[in-house]
Amino acid sequence: AQTVTQSQPEMSVQEAETVTLSCTYDTSESDYYLFWYKQPPSRQMILVIRQEAYKQQNATENRFSVNFQKAAKSFSLKISDSQLGDAAMYFCAYRTSLNSGNTPLVFGKGTRLSVIA
Amino acid sequence: EPEVTQTPSHQVTQMGQEVILRCVPISNHLYFYWYRQILGQKVEFLVSFYNNEISEKSEIFDDQFSVERPDGSNFTLKIRSTKLEDSAMYFCASSDNGRGHSTGELFFGEGSRLTVL
Repeated sequence: AQTVTQSQPEMSVQEAETVTLSCTYDTSESDYYLFWYKQPPSRQMILVIRQEAYKQQNATENRFSVNFQKAAKSFSLKISDSQLGDAAMYFCAYRTSLNSGNTPLVFGKGTRLSVIA
Repeated sequence: EPEVTQTPSHQVTQMGQEVILRCVPISNHLYFYWYRQILGQKVEFLVSFYNNEISEKSEIFDDQFSVERPDGSNFTLKIRSTKLEDSAMYFCASSDNGRGHSTGELFFGEGSRLTVL
């Protein structure tokens, strides 16, 4: 079974600075998706960024980017120019090949990010 | 933008009572999911549903739980006889058919908070 590990329960960053959240995963598959979801105090799960495993290029989405190291099974999230609104719980998630179409997400335990003004 | 909606946002119930949590997935999605998040813990997969039947379920999803798509738009989670440990946030999610231009993303609702007294 696939597992996702987030080794940082809590992180903090100064406003306007850059922070990197770590994520590693374990799988024997070669085709999969990786995601970072944000969960603010409102509790809704919001997709931040996604990465297809077959793509070598790291995904970017405005101030958010990933460092995807497939051989190392590592998928870190970098937040640049941190804003107060970035404060939230961040979950790394894995989803296996979509051939079956209904594979569930496997989540890590999350990293709580605080942004200091 | 289409979204997943869930009702109620918060429900308080007595131990042993039946609870039904409701979800309206995104209209053209084919796969539906329920996840659970006990306060302060990771998001856990409960069940996935496709073509009017359960596709996959976790160990958490025991005989006390059931899912149904009663009318082609709603997707419900029923807990027959609630226990204290069922207190959690329950998230509904949906995804498309995983082919073509699929993003692989699961779209989450805002969650239903269940408190069992």
